[in-house]
Amino acid sequence: AQKITQTQPGMFVQEKEAVTLDCTYDTSDPSYGLFWYKQPSSGEMIFLIYQGSYDQQNATEGRYSLNFQKARKSANLVISASQLGDSAMYFCAMRAVYNNAGNMLTFGGGTRLMVKP
Amino acid sequence: KAGVTQTPRYLIKTRGQQVTLSCSPISGHRSVSWYQQTPGQGLQFLFEYFSETQRNKGNFPGRFSGRQFSNSRSEMNVSTLELGDSALYLCASSSGQGLTDTQYFGPGTRLTVL
Repeated sequence: AQKITQTQPGMFVQEKEAVTLDCTYDTSDPSYGLFWYKQPSSGEMIFLIYQGSYDQQNATEGRYSLNFQKARKSANLVISASQLGDSAMYFCAMRAVYNNAGNMLTFGGGTRLMVKP
Repeated sequence: KAGVTQTPRYLIKTRGQQVTLSCSPISGHRSVSWYQQTPGQGLQFLFEYFSETQRNKGNFPGRFSGRQFSNSRSEMNVSTLELGDSALYLCASSSGQGLTDTQYFGPGTRLTVL
């Protein structure tokens, strides 16, 4: 079984500052993918960034980067230069690849990020 | 490329009724997954369809069912609605293959059961 834990229910960050959202995971599968999604109040889940378990380098996508520490089983999202539009819920998710697991994503509880002007 | 579309966006039903939700994936995507999001349980996987076959199923009662058509469009059905079925239902599409396969979500259908 897989489990994703996001320990920060809510966070504030000042506009233009960087912020780190925590995510730890648990799986016995050696091959897996980690995802971060953003969910604004409208409800739609927006894909932000992906990290594979065998990737040697941390993933980056524009202002988003993923601090992947495999030994610690953590995959923290770093948002640089926060903008007011970054205010939303953020979800960490995992997909294992074994026994034809297909596309089942396991999500964490989410972190609500609020950017202050 | 058009994104994932879901219809309807909002639904109000009463207990005991049934409901059908529709999802049109991104063109070329063969996998459609469904998730339920509630304040109490968070995001939970319902099922995934790939090339018209259910490939994976979450831990939900048999009242929840789905299907996928040859054009990859998918429908989800909930029979004998209960108050606890009130939720945001999200559909996601992807190519369905490869470790890096990424799911892209639609705007969701918000179901309220009275």
